[in-house]
Amino acid sequence: SQTIHQWPATLVQPVGSPLSLECTVEGTSNPNLYWYRQAAGRGLQLLFYSVGIGQISSEVPQNLSASRPQDRQFILSSKKLLLSDSGFYLCAWSRQGGGQPQHFGDGTRLSIL
Amino acid sequence: GQNIDQPTEMTATEGAIVQINCTYQTSGFNGLFWYQQHAGEAPTFLSYNVLDGLEEKGRFSSFLSRSKGYSYLLLKELQMKDSASYLCAVRGPGYKLSFGAGTTVTVRA
Repeated sequence: SQTIHQWPATLVQPVGSPLSLECTVEGTSNPNLYWYRQAAGRGLQLLFYSVGIGQISSEVPQNLSASRPQDRQFILSSKKLLLSDSGFYLCAWSRQGGGQPQHFGDGTRLSIL
Repeated sequence: GQNIDQPTEMTATEGAIVQINCTYQTSGFNGLFWYQQHAGEAPTFLSYNVLDGLEEKGRFSSFLSRSKGYSYLLLKELQMKDSASYLCAVRGPGYKLSFGAGTTVTVRA
């Protein structure tokens, strides 16, 4: 069966510090990968998605970036965090093809001080 | 892009039925998903509709009308553990999902 791992579960960072969140998927090959952010009481906002190694599409201009160095690894980064970057970050994967649901990792709760 | 609307909150009694409506406007439609999200947790997949009609999965059913841009999620025989946020998500062109803000369902004893 497929599993998705996301870490850390919680993170407290000062403004201006860098960020690296990692997500890995097991049990499947060539998945689509996604990063979302969910602000308190709000819907999920798609940040980045990837259909293959090195292929990243950005949905929202911001100070975040994403990379996919390996088939089942997706990394969310920032060089300098802003207060507005606080939120619940979720990684998700899906199989290629229509009708495939996205499956989410447990999320990282990021607080910026 | 997609515009997705669903009620913010609903309250129902244990054992009852609740229907959560979702309306959408999209430039291209490739399916509609429902997710359940308990407080502080990640969303989990509930159902998928791409053709008109009703899909039933145990106590949960989901309906789609593409011509009306309308879907609902029906929760039957409500249990306390069904208290959660329910997210409607529409797949447009490509693999991207657009999510509604979610409907918080509170089940009372």
